[in-house]
Amino acid sequence: GPKVLQIPSHQIIDMGQMVTLNCDPVSNHLYFYWYKQILGQQMEFLVNFYNGKVMEKSKLFKDQFSVERPDGSYFTLKIQPTALEDSAVYFCASSLLGGGIQDTQYFGPGTRLLVL
Amino acid sequence: GDSVTQTEGLVTVTEGLPVKLNCTYQTTYLTIAFFWYVQYLNEAPQVLLKSSTDNKRTEHQGFHATLHKSSSSFHLQKSSAQLSDSALYYCALRPATGGNNKLTFGQGTVLSVIP
Repeated sequence: GPKVLQIPSHQIIDMGQMVTLNCDPVSNHLYFYWYKQILGQQMEFLVNFYNGKVMEKSKLFKDQFSVERPDGSYFTLKIQPTALEDSAVYFCASSLLGGGIQDTQYFGPGTRLLVL
Repeated sequence: GDSVTQTEGLVTVTEGLPVKLNCTYQTTYLTIAFFWYVQYLNEAPQVLLKSSTDNKRTEHQGFHATLHKSSSSFHLQKSSAQLSDSALYYCALRPATGGNNKLTFGQGTVLSVIP
């Protein structure tokens, strides 16, 4: 099936530093998402992004978070500065239609972020 | 808000026997899309099944699920479990109308199929 890639697979960073998580979505998809999964908990929606804009964000999407997809390259999640509670697995997803019954979100394998 | 509950963290079944993974939900939306995602070790979650029609059985790769709005359930079943079915399974839902397309996930159930 369609593949979403995420780079890096693991990242260890000191608290207060900046980190950028990269996502290579399915090539013809237009809608992009980030989800966060803290160890032992369920995956939770962070943000979705379309046409260069954030469409919706959850309360987990703190002011320190930002997303962009400059010129059709990687879809990125930037955290600046990082905090201990940002340690989690971050999943990127993409979809073609952005909703409706037929739409399906395709996920990457996740980036495991550890903030020390 | 919406919620999805998967009551079992781990289900262990012997190869060849039937398996059922439970999923119940709460939502205020009238039109909902439901999904089962499967995640094999070190891989991405991938869609296994999806449905939005009440009381209609959906099948894929030997698994099946039926959305029952009367009981708010979307359980996943297979008649004969295979060793290769061992994985983490997530139930998820999202509204199927309007601009809100965020998925709400359950906590996941690890399925372990033993010889």
